[in-house]
Amino acid sequence: KNEVEQSPQNLTAQEGEFITINCSYSVGISALHWLQQHPGGGIVSLFMLSSGKKKHGRLIATINIQEKHSSLHITASHPRDSAVYICAVRSGATNKLIFGTGTLLAVQP
Amino acid sequence: NAGVTQTPKFRVLKTGQSMTLLCAQDMNHEYMYWYRQDPGMGLRLIHYSVGEGTTAKGEVPDGYNVSRLKKQNFLLGLESAAPSQTSVYFCASSRSGTGRYEQYFGPGTRLTVT
Repeated sequence: KNEVEQSPQNLTAQEGEFITINCSYSVGISALHWLQQHPGGGIVSLFMLSSGKKKHGRLIATINIQEKHSSLHITASHPRDSAVYICAVRSGATNKLIFGTGTLLAVQP
Repeated sequence: NAGVTQTPKFRVLKTGQSMTLLCAQDMNHEYMYWYRQDPGMGLRLIHYSVGEGTTAKGEVPDGYNVSRLKKQNFLLGLESAAPSQTSVYFCASSRSGTGRYEQYFGPGTRLTVT
């Protein structure tokens, strides 16, 4: 079983829909990262959080440390949000990042 | 600032050939990392460096070597390429290795070994 699990693996939405991507992890962590990867492109950090909630524009990230779960929400989705969203946790034991396999999001106009 | 850059962007090698991937960062970061990304798997750490002149093994180091002769550069070498090393390689850097600092990623290098 992977230490970081994301769901769903694939997600298709219509423009304007509210989107949720989930991340569960099984190790102790010091921080959790949400990353975005566009097709053929590099990887960009969206959020780094260790508790509570962060918001940036239409993106919201939450984390529940007790339940070892995080969610990434996109409000009023747009085709330009189409990308792979990757959850990564920094292991409290090794200080290394452990990555999920990503969620492929396609937002159709 | 260019951030993190990688050269080359694409490369095709024949089995047994060697090559070096170059990563450069202009943010004065201490930590640098090399990852590989394969379909259906999360990014996996190959090697990393906690400062100039240091290197350490990550999760999948076999078949790769690295060097950090200058703080801004981190080189990844393949001495004898194998088809199993076909992958997309990402370099990243961070100010520190603790959870307080995010990693900045390069644009990636797509390597095919035939």
